[in-house]
Amino acid sequence: DIQMTQSPSSVSASVGDRVTITCRASQRLSSYLAWYQQRPGKAPKLLIYAASALYSGVPSRFSGSESGTDFTLTISSLQPEDCAIYYCQQANSFPITFGQGTRLEIK
Amino acid sequence: EVQLVESGGGLVQPGGSLRLSCAASGFIFRNYAMSWVRQAPGKGLEWVSVISASGDTTNYANSVKGRFTISRDNSKNTLYLQMSSLRVEDTAVYYCAKGGWLAACDSWGQGTLVTVSS
Repeated sequence: DIQMTQSPSSVSASVGDRVTITCRASQRLSSYLAWYQQRPGKAPKLLIYAASALYSGVPSRFSGSESGTDFTLTISSLQPEDCAIYYCQQANSFPITFGQGTRLEIK
Repeated sequence: EVQLVESGGGLVQPGGSLRLSCAASGFIFRNYAMSWVRQAPGKGLEWVSVISASGDTTNYANSVKGRFTISRDNSKNTLYLQMSSLRVEDTAVYYCAKGGWLAACDSWGQGTLVTVSS
């Protein structure tokens, strides 16, 4: 199984800050990596697919990048509504696996 | 607008069975793979199963293989998850999601809670 390791496990930042969350895969994924946002008490929402493609309707302050087996989700200017848990997911091979999540809090 | 509405969750004893349903609307159901993903209380997301658009191919997490069966009825735009030999560790919110066959899940339902307890 492909292991997905997210860091940090939690982060606290101020409105307007740039925030970066990293996900490391245990093997290469050929860009089959997605990022999801889960607000408290809500279902996950797709933010990024294919490592760097912005899903329809997602604000442009969200972006994704890939370097080898390392993947990054960046929020360029943090907004209050970005308070959530963020998960990466590999879709390169079965079983599909998720990272353990990164909790993002607003200072 | 894509809508996915799960139902069928509830309290069941260990060893029991339950069938979840997911009613889909707002897209051409028969054209898309569909997935189940679960989340134990206070924990992260865990992929459970996926079924191809036609329903002829399925895949399962090792933790549920042999106990859960995913299926779909394209004439009713409905996805199912038949769960048997349920264990306490199967307690979770179960989400139905559009897509997921070696791809992202682009729409999710609101989830249905399954509690396995004596």
